[in-house]
Amino acid sequence: KNQVEQSPQSLIILEGKNCTLQCNYTVSPFSNLRWYKQDTGRGPVSLTIMTFSENTKSNGRYTATLDADTKQSSLHITASQLSDSASYICVVSSQSGTYKYIFGTGTRLKVLA
Amino acid sequence: NAGVTQTPKFRVLKTGQSMTLLCAQDMNHEYMYWYRQDPGMGLRLIHYSVGEGTTAKGEVPDGYNVSRLKKQNFLLGLESAAPSQTSVYFCASTGTGVTEAFFGQGTRLTVV
Repeated sequence: KNQVEQSPQSLIILEGKNCTLQCNYTVSPFSNLRWYKQDTGRGPVSLTIMTFSENTKSNGRYTATLDADTKQSSLHITASQLSDSASYICVVSSQSGTYKYIFGTGTRLKVLA
Repeated sequence: NAGVTQTPKFRVLKTGQSMTLLCAQDMNHEYMYWYRQDPGMGLRLIHYSVGEGTTAKGEVPDGYNVSRLKKQNFLLGLESAAPSQTSVYFCASTGTGVTEAFFGQGTRLTVV
């Protein structure tokens, strides 16, 4: 069964600290993996997209890594800011251009001043 | 550049009433999707469309219908609302290939 599991479910950190969110998946065949940020009451916004051949991709203070062999991905947030408080969703696609996006349940991050 | 726009943003329905949610995108995307988001669950696909005039069922299609008469619009209909359809609904669109998906702001629907 195609599944995407994220950990931790929630995380609280102090402003300025770094953190890493985890995503494990069992989706096959793999096409690409995406990380989204979802602010409360808003729609998800894309952070990164990685295909099979990409090991890492950055978007400002966000760096995503992908290990296609172990089927694991991580999202590292550097020097966290209050505005990073949001849910971070890992999404895995099994085929490009079709509906087969499998969503994780997200990690809820709270950054405290 | 509006991206993906959903209307309405909030709605309260009584059981048995009907309504239509509208999704409009201005990026000339071929693919459009309707999802629902419930607490503790990942987004689940209701219906999707791979082009104008086409629709297909997703993971949780029961109780919903869709239409895509124009490329830029994707409508989601509830013919007879049930409390189990209380949720936040998101529309998304993508181009072809491995491209970014853009989401609307969501519609919070409560069925009482």
